[in-house]
Parts: sequence; structure tokens; C-alpha cells
Amino acid sequence: GQSLEQPSEVTAVEGAIVQINCTYQTSGFYGLSWYQQHDGGAPTFLSYNALDGLEETGRFSSFLSRSDSYGYLLLQELQMKDSASYFCAVRDVGGSQGNLIFGKGTKLSVKP
Amino acid sequence: EPEVTQTPSHQVTQMGQEVILRCVPISNHLYFYWYRQILGQKVEFLVSFYNNEISEKSEIFDDQFSVERPDGSNFTLKIRSTKLEDSAMYFCASSRTGQGSGANVLTFGAGSRLTVL
Repeated sequence: GQSLEQPSEVTAVEGAIVQINCTYQTSGFYGLSWYQQHDGGAPTFLSYNALDGLEETGRFSSFLSRSDSYGYLLLQELQMKDSASYFCAVRDVGGSQGNLIFGKGTKLSVKP
Repeated sequence: EPEVTQTPSHQVTQMGQEVILRCVPISNHLYFYWYRQILGQKVEFLVSFYNNEISEKSEIFDDQFSVERPDGSNFTLKIRSTKLEDSAMYFCASSRTGQGSGANVLTFGAGSRLTVL
């Protein structure tokens, strides 16, 4: 089986930097993904880490430490539009394909 | 940009009725999924589908659920006899591949909100 833990809520101000942590437990590991979901919207893919280290995509970066079963999403120069829920996800390797299983999500509120 | 389209956007039904939710995945994607999200909760995996058959299903996907790809484009989720607790947003998703890094990149549709009264 698998489990993912992430904070339920985070609040930050515009222009700030925020880090959303995720710890996971899986029977196998095929990488850690991050998805963003605005209220009433669909989850959209942000980033994926298969190997240890930092992956940067514009204002967003994602980090993975496989030895610690830990990763984080770093959002820089926060904007109001970044207010959304952020989900970490891992593949469930119990199945032949390894279907993506999501954490409970972290609701980020960006204040002016 | 290619997108996954879902219909209807919102459906209200009476308990015990059958519901069919429809999805058109991205045309060159080979793997299809249904997820659901109860209001305010996490996105939960229901079923994956590849090569015209179910690949995996979760314990949520019991006998009242079925999926089908009746033609080359549509991918449907049928709930045979709806219950109150089936009220949720149902997301269809597709991916180009089911292995490697590409299997982590799912494109989701906008969702179908199901309300069971």
C-alpha cells in the first residue's frame, strides 16, 4: 500500500516563498508528482521527480529525497493566482501499471 | 492544446437511477482513468483502462460501476444504481503512456459533478 502526508493548509503573502512538504510510504517507488487544483477546476500537472534533487520550472521547483521518502514543492514570487490546492502523488505499484495515487492536498491561500 | 472533454458538466439524479458519464480522452493517449473527488476531499483513483480492458481498479470501483470504450473516442463510466454517497466530482484523465515518467503526467478533464438526491 501507500500513504502520503502533506499539510492541510498553508497561508502566505504575495511575493513570498512557500514550501509544501510531502512524505510518502510506498511498497515501491516510481517518482513523486505534484498537481495543482484551483477551486472547481481539474487537477493539472506541475512537476515530477524520479531522482533525488531539485527540478525547477519557472517559479515552481520540486525536490525529492528518496532516502527520506520526502519531497517538497517550492513556490516563489507568490501571486494571487497561486491560491489553489496542491497535491503530491505517487504511483501505486501494486498494480501492473502503477496508478497515480494522490495525497489529501494542501490548500494554499495567498494574501495581498 | 489538446484537452480531455467530459459531459455532462453537472448531473442531478435520484437515488437508484443509472448514470453514464462520458469522456473524450486526448486522441494520441493510450491510457484512460476515472477518478472521483468528494467535495473538499482528495482525488481518489477508481479505475484505469488500456487496450480496451480494465487494467486496475480500486476497492471503490465495485459491481455498480463499469467502464466502456464503445467507439474509438468515447470512454464512459456507468454507475448502475446510484447511492447518496456517489455524489462527487468525477474526473476522467488520460496519459500517453502507462510506464516510466510519462505515467505520472495525467491530463484531467474539467469533471462531471454528480449529485444524487
